[in-house]
Order: sequence, then C-alpha cells, then structure tokens
Amino acid sequence: GAVVSQHPSWVICKSGTSVKIECRSLDFQATTMFWYRQFPKQSLMLMATSNEGSKATYEQGVEKDKFLINHASLTLSTLTVTSAHPEDSSFYICSAVSPAGDNQPQHFGDGTRLSIL
Amino acid sequence: SQQGEEDPQALSIQEGENATMNCSYKTSINNLQWYRQNSGRGLVHLILIRSNEREKHSGRLRVTLDTSKKSSSLLITASRAADTASYFCATNSGYSTLTFGKGTMLLVSP
Repeated sequence: GAVVSQHPSWVICKSGTSVKIECRSLDFQATTMFWYRQFPKQSLMLMATSNEGSKATYEQGVEKDKFLINHASLTLSTLTVTSAHPEDSSFYICSAVSPAGDNQPQHFGDGTRLSIL
Repeated sequence: SQQGEEDPQALSIQEGENATMNCSYKTSINNLQWYRQNSGRGLVHLILIRSNEREKHSGRLRVTLDTSKKSSSLLITASRAADTASYFCATNSGYSTLTFGKGTMLLVSP
C-alpha cells in the first residue's frame, strides 16, 4: 500500500518551455503533498507544501509564479515549471502523506529528472 | 535549512559487515524518520521513531534516538550489496513537514 506515482520520470525540453509534473497517490487519499528539489549528491530541499483545495505554501526563496502547484483532488498534485531555463534543470520529487496525524511517514514518488537545453 | 546532519558522509564496507550512520539535529521533534534512496530514484521510508521512543527495530535495521543529545543512529546488520544507497534522516516537528539531513552514501562491496 501507500504508493505514489510520479510522471514523467524524465523530461528533456528546450529553454522557454513549460513542463508539468504529476504526482498521484494511488491507494490512499493525500490531503497534503510535498514537492522537493534535489541537486546531484545533495539532500532534498522542500519547495512547497500542497494542500488539497487550497493554495500551496512555498518555502522561502521559491518563486511561486515560476513553480505553479495545483492540488485539485485528494489524489493528484501537479507542479508546473513555467518558462523553464537551464538553471531549472534538476531532480524533482513529490511525496504524499495520509491524513492520519503527524506521526506518519511520507510516501515518495520516483522523481522526475528535468533537463532544460 | 537542513536540520539533520548525518555522519559519515560516505561509508564503504564489505558484505556481511554492519553499517552505522548517525544523525544530529537542533530543535525539538515529534519524530525522526530514516529513508533510503537508490541512485536516481525516490525515497523509501525505512523507520519512524517517535520522540518518546528510544529504540526501534525492523528486520536488519535498528534505530536509536537520544533526545537529550538530539541524535539518532541507524544500524544495518549483515549488510548486502543491495543495501548500497544513500540514507537520509529527517525530522518532523509538526504538520507533517520533514527536514532532511545531508545523507550518508553507503557502498557495500560483494
């Protein structure tokens, strides 16, 4: 149980393109989902917290107009990187947590490797 | 900012040996979690230990938590080549949000 599916797994596109990444909880309802960015051989940096039916909460330094997050249902959150540039190239990972209190693990997708040419 | 700090940053051992990774943190926590990440993949949850617990086991994994020292350790016994991965500790201080450490890269050689 507790499977999170993230698509696509790999994207290569030209500079200026907008890219949408989907994160789905397949067998549980996730009121809260998280989006992380990870650079090579580094840890995960939280970008934003996505709550179903409300605006995402962005971490300091993350441009909300650049990284659009939508959490329209209890099983789907999307991250759109708008007008992507080479510096946006990175590994993006989502996670979801079931609404059962604080002492619950996060369940992670397999990540999306974004390469902007 | 990163709260957890793991050490060592990298660990290389032979199959069958035990691997110990440590994690220190700075603020009070609800729980501390350990995750594994294989290269280019997402994270897999290993163990969650609550702030009122001192030790927890899961198969070949043993996690300890010392809240007075704000530290935790992950022990993998009888390691296997398949245990090769990066291991992260993450602290939860409320609202489900996690703060990840920098990770330990473990290499287990056959």
